Amino acid sequence: LAKTTQPISMDSYEGQEVNITCSHNNIATNDYITWYQQFPSQGPRFIIQGYKTKVTNEVASLFIPADRKSSTLSLPRVSLSDTAVYYCLVGDDSSASKIIFGSGTRLSIRP
Amino acid sequence: GAVVSQHPSWVICKSGTSVKIECRSLDFQATTMFWYRQFPKQSLMLMATSNEGSKATYEQGVEKDKFLINHASLTLSTLTVTSAHPEDSSFYICSASQQGYEQYFGPGTRLTVT
Repeated sequence: LAKTTQPISMDSYEGQEVNITCSHNNIATNDYITWYQQFPSQGPRFIIQGYKTKVTNEVASLFIPADRKSSTLSLPRVSLSDTAVYYCLVGDDSSASKIIFGSGTRLSIRP
Repeated sequence: GAVVSQHPSWVICKSGTSVKIECRSLDFQATTMFWYRQFPKQSLMLMATSNEGSKATYEQGVEKDKFLINHASLTLSTLTVTSAHPEDSSFYICSASQQGYEQYFGPGTRLTVT
């Protein structure tokens, strides 16, 4: 299982774009990159998943360079409700393999 | 979308007693379910993986006799904390997946042992 490294915490303001970068130097060919969001006392919530280049959904964008050794989660125009912990995970998605959570990034949004 | 529920959402029990936590996949059949534990301000720690109809696989350092996991059907897995002690107080989260699909997480169960 590829290990991931993220910043422990980040601060931003409402209306700003927030980019959280994750390093995963040992990512394997079959690995996907998945980001989860977790609010206090709740289970993680799936945000976005990608394999390469760029993926966008109604919540976020995920940018993955060609070497796939890192990825960046982009949250456009954040609000106070985006204050949460964000986890970057790397793993083989084809067989529901176990997920090992890293430390995550604690994002704090201020008014 | 896929929904996973947990019951109870919170529980308080006395030291030495056992408590059971249920994890259900409401609208899909889960071939695999996972159990995590999370202490305050920490990340989720995987405890065990359970596949329907077979014994659970526990992560290193997790006592299988203390944390009993049963995955009797494709929609239900249970975690029983036996002889609970205050240090077992934590937030327990389950997730469920179909073969070849992403994991869906439950809302978690807050266990407090007094």
